Amino acid sequence: GAVVSQHPSWVICKSGTSVKIECRSLDFQATTMFWYRQFPKQSLMLMATSNEGSKATYEQGVEKDKFLINHASLTLSTLTVTSAHPEDSSFYICSAGRGPNSYEQYFGPGTRLTVT
Amino acid sequence: AQSVTQLGSHVSVSEGALVLLRCNYSSSVPPYLFWYVQYPNQGLQLLLKYTTGATLVKGINGFEAEFKKSETSFHLTKPSAHMSDAAEYFCASSAYGQNFVFGPGTRLSVLP
Repeated sequence: GAVVSQHPSWVICKSGTSVKIECRSLDFQATTMFWYRQFPKQSLMLMATSNEGSKATYEQGVEKDKFLINHASLTLSTLTVTSAHPEDSSFYICSAGRGPNSYEQYFGPGTRLTVT
Repeated sequence: AQSVTQLGSHVSVSEGALVLLRCNYSSSVPPYLFWYVQYPNQGLQLLLKYTTGATLVKGINGFEAEFKKSETSFHLTKPSAHMSDAAEYFCASSAYGQNFVFGPGTRLSVLP
């Protein structure tokens, strides 16, 4: 149990276009979902926290207008990278929290974004 | 504020040898502590976690970790390394289930 999927697993897009990444909790309802960014050979950096039906909370330094997060249901959150640029190329990982405190996070397999 | 440090960005051990990956944390409140493993181009898999209770926690694949409050440590160990253990390992801390903070990671290499 506690499976989280991401789609797509990898995507290549041209500079200036927008890309949407989906994160789904397959067998549980996620009260909270988290979006992380990971640069090569580095740790995960939390970008934002989203709760179903409310606006996402972004970490300091993360542009909310560039990284749009929608948490439409208890099983789906989406991250849209708008007007992507090569510096947005990265590995994006989502996780879903189960339980009232969401301290148990279950991670998706990640999405490799390359902006050319 | 929370922080997590992992001593050694790269650790190499021989197959069959003891694995010891170090993690120290800083937290103003009792933390929840986690170890995750990441294989190339994949997400994170939970190895084990400490929330409350017994300070020695056992996880999957033969790994275990001990929470030592006096040393603010949560080191990960495995008695005998296997080739399949080669991966990136992340220690993480969470205060009351909020504000998940990851350490910088330790890459484990297992030599034949």
